[in-house]
Amino acid sequence: GENVEQHPSTLSVQEGDSAVIKCTYSDSASNYFPWYKQELGKRPQLIIDIRSNVGEKKDQRIAVTLNKTAKHFSLHITETQPEDSAVYFCAASRPAGNMLTFGGGTRLMVKP
Amino acid sequence: GAGVSQSPSNKVTEKGKDVELRCDPISGHTALYWYRQSLGQGLEFLIYFQGNSAPDKSGLPSDRFSAERTGGSVSTLTIQRTQQEDSAVYLCASSFKGRDTGELFFGEGSRLTVL
Repeated sequence: GENVEQHPSTLSVQEGDSAVIKCTYSDSASNYFPWYKQELGKRPQLIIDIRSNVGEKKDQRIAVTLNKTAKHFSLHITETQPEDSAVYFCAASRPAGNMLTFGGGTRLMVKP
Repeated sequence: GAGVSQSPSNKVTEKGKDVELRCDPISGHTALYWYRQSLGQGLEFLIYFQGNSAPDKSGLPSDRFSAERTGGSVSTLTIQRTQQEDSAVYLCASSFKGRDTGELFFGEGSRLTVL
């Protein structure tokens, strides 16, 4: 089955700096890569996703990149703000609604 | 309903008792997942239901854990003879299986405390 590794497990940045979280996956047939954000005491929520037919996707201050050859994808947050502090989870799955496999999570702390 | 609904939101039980946690997914969603999350930890996969297919039970930590999904909708996670290490938040999520994998919608979770 799919195995998703996520690094780092914790990340502390100064407000205004950029943050990068990286994930690798094992199943070359995976083609869907979402990112979820879980604020303290809240449920995880989708913030951005990418499919394997594109290499990069942006949404305001967040962007995801995908390297299918190397089987890794990354989340980039620019101009970080305190409200970006949360746990971020990457995930991967095969096409057609197959099971989503999550990485271990990254706790991001943005210091004001 | 508008979202994934879980009950109870909080459950305190004594060691050795059985508990049932309920998940009501978004109407029409064919996929349903159960995860366990201990304080400050990641999402531990427990079980996955997809339509009428046999569930993927590979994440269940022991035979004390079981889950059912009746009529392709509501799911119940049962923990028998609870232990203190079972204390965690149990999250349910659902998604629609179409041509492409869809967004997972999570419930608020059921916080289980085993005394």
